[in-house]
Amino acid sequence: KQEVTQIPAALSVPEGENLVLNCSFTDSAIYNLQWFRQDPGKGLTSLLLIQSSQREQTSGRLNASLDKSSGRSTLYIAASQPGDSATYLCAVEAIGGSTLGRLYFGRGTQLTVWP
Amino acid sequence: IAGITQAPTSQILAAGRRMTLRCTQDMRHNAMYWYRQDLGLGLRLIHYSNTAGTTGKGEVPDGYSVSRANTDDFPLTLASAVPSQTSVYFCASSAGTNEQFFGPGTRLTVL
Repeated sequence: KQEVTQIPAALSVPEGENLVLNCSFTDSAIYNLQWFRQDPGKGLTSLLLIQSSQREQTSGRLNASLDKSSGRSTLYIAASQPGDSATYLCAVEAIGGSTLGRLYFGRGTQLTVWP
Repeated sequence: IAGITQAPTSQILAAGRRMTLRCTQDMRHNAMYWYRQDLGLGLRLIHYSNTAGTTGKGEVPDGYSVSRANTDDFPLTLASAVPSQTSVYFCASSAGTNEQFFGPGTRLTVL
């Protein structure tokens, strides 16, 4: 069974710092990896999707990398802002089985950026 | 409608009552999913549907049922609610093995 782990569980930093959030997964047979943001009491917002054939994706101040062979992904946030405060979730879509598109989620990294 | 909508936003329910959570998407995605999110356990898949007319069981299906009569709607029914079903429920959709989009969630409390 695919297991996804996110480190650290929580992170508190001053505004302006560059951050790295880590995600690891146990089975490298994946279609893709997706990073989400979740604000308190809200739903999940998709940030970046990396297909298994890709090494990285960028959107604004966010950059996500994927090393499928080692089962790792990182989300890099440049020049962090208080508005980045949220929980960041990593999820992988595993190959195999009958559930097309099923995502396996990590427990998230709760990020606080203080002014 | 833009994306995925869920109703109700929140609900308090007596144990033993029947409840249907509604989910509608307007993106014509073939696949839809129901997850529950619990503190300390993360998101877990309840049921899924790869295409209209088909459904399947996820990781935690007991006590829940779904139907997929058309592409847009994917309701989740609790036949006889129990307190352990207190959770936040998220509906999601995707076009095959592509980006998955989530609804705003339904916060359900079973007393």
